[in-house]
Amino acid sequence: QVQLQESGPGLVKPSETLSLICNVSGGPILSYYWSWIRQPPGKGLEWIGYIYYTGSTSYTPSLKSRVTISADTSKNQFSLKLSSVTAADTAVYYCARSRYGSGMDVWGQGTTVTVSS
Amino acid sequence: EIVLTQSPGTLSLSPGERATLSCRASQTVNNDYLAWYQQKPGQAPRLLMYRPSSRATGIPDRFSGSGSGTNFTLTISRLEPEDSAVYSCQQYGSSLFTFGQGTRLEIK
Repeated sequence: QVQLQESGPGLVKPSETLSLICNVSGGPILSYYWSWIRQPPGKGLEWIGYIYYTGSTSYTPSLKSRVTISADTSKNQFSLKLSSVTAADTAVYYCARSRYGSGMDVWGQGTTVTVSS
Repeated sequence: EIVLTQSPGTLSLSPGERATLSCRASQTVNNDYLAWYQQKPGQAPRLLMYRPSSRATGIPDRFSGSGSGTNFTLTISRLEPEDSAVYSCQQYGSSLFTFGQGTRLEIK
């Protein structure tokens, strides 16, 4: 059974870079899309972007200039970097898996990131 | 990018009733690649439906999805107290995925 686990700092200073890792256990990264999604306090879900196992990426336009998603197949993990953060980037960050033609069927538990000095 | 608008914002129903949730897209969702998720407080979202009438693993048949093009519906029949949650739609028909803002379902 595939499980995802997010990890990273819970507190990031304004203007710095938020870095998170999603560790994939119980199955390979191959043949799936791996997404990052965030949810600000009291708000809805926002898709940030994905990396496909081939290495291709797609990012939401509003964050594209600040986001990088990469994968390390040898470690079976993928990561998120979001630069120049502000308080508006405070949210619960989730990683999730999807297959072509299907929804996101496996999610991490989420990790809370607060942007504050 | 495709904007998804969900209605109503909040729905309050009694156990045993049927809930009908709407998700409208700003443009055609390619291949009708639309999914529905359930999210309870403090939990990650759970995939309910995709494509949009295929049920995810372990989802009871009280949940059903329908629609095509720009209009999609999630129906929950015979509501149970455990169905109280926020329900979000998501399109994955383009390389830019998007979510709707969610519908809160309250069970009286």
